[in-house]
Amino acid sequence: AQKITQTQPGMFVQEKEAVTLDCTYDTSDPSYGLFWYKQPSSGEMIFLIYQGSYDQQNATEGRYSLNFQKARKSANLVISASQLGDSAMYFCAMRRQGAQKLVFGQGTRLTINP
Amino acid sequence: DSGVTQTPKHLITATGQRVTLRCSPRSGDLSVYWYQQSLDQGLQFLIQYYNGEERAKGNILERFSAQQFPDLHSELNLSSLELGDSALYFCASSGRTVGSYNSPLHFGNGTRLTVT
Repeated sequence: AQKITQTQPGMFVQEKEAVTLDCTYDTSDPSYGLFWYKQPSSGEMIFLIYQGSYDQQNATEGRYSLNFQKARKSANLVISASQLGDSAMYFCAMRRQGAQKLVFGQGTRLTINP
Repeated sequence: DSGVTQTPKHLITATGQRVTLRCSPRSGDLSVYWYQQSLDQGLQFLIQYYNGEERAKGNILERFSAQQFPDLHSELNLSSLELGDSALYFCASSGRTVGSYNSPLHFGNGTRLTVT
């Protein structure tokens, strides 16, 4: 079975600060992918970043980076220089090789204060 | 814009009724997924189709059914609706390789269903 845990229901950060959103996962499969999605108040789900289980380097996409610690089974999302538009729900998700579905965590609501 | 189109955006209906949600995947994507997002259950996987065939089933109720047509668009049918079915229903699509763990799902904007 696969499980994703996001322990921070909500976070409040000052604009321009960096923020780390926590995600831990549980799987016995060696091959899997980890994903982060952003859901603004308008409701759409926006794909942000991907990390594969065999990737040696941490993934980066613009201001987003993924702090991947395989031994600890954690895949934290780091947003640098936060902006007001970063206020949203953030979901961590995992997909293992051969599985069809993406399994999501419960999400973290991030609020950026001016 | 993810390239996944869902219609309608909003749907308000009464208990006991039946509705159909429609999804057009991104161009070239063969897999379509349906998810339900409710406040208490989070994002729950319902069902997946790949190139017209059902590939995986999640927590989908018997009152719900789906299909994927030859042009790859998909429909999710919800019948005998109950108040608890009120939720945001997402369709997502992914690429040509089924079961590949490195393909992200690209989501539509969702259909918000309200059952009164």
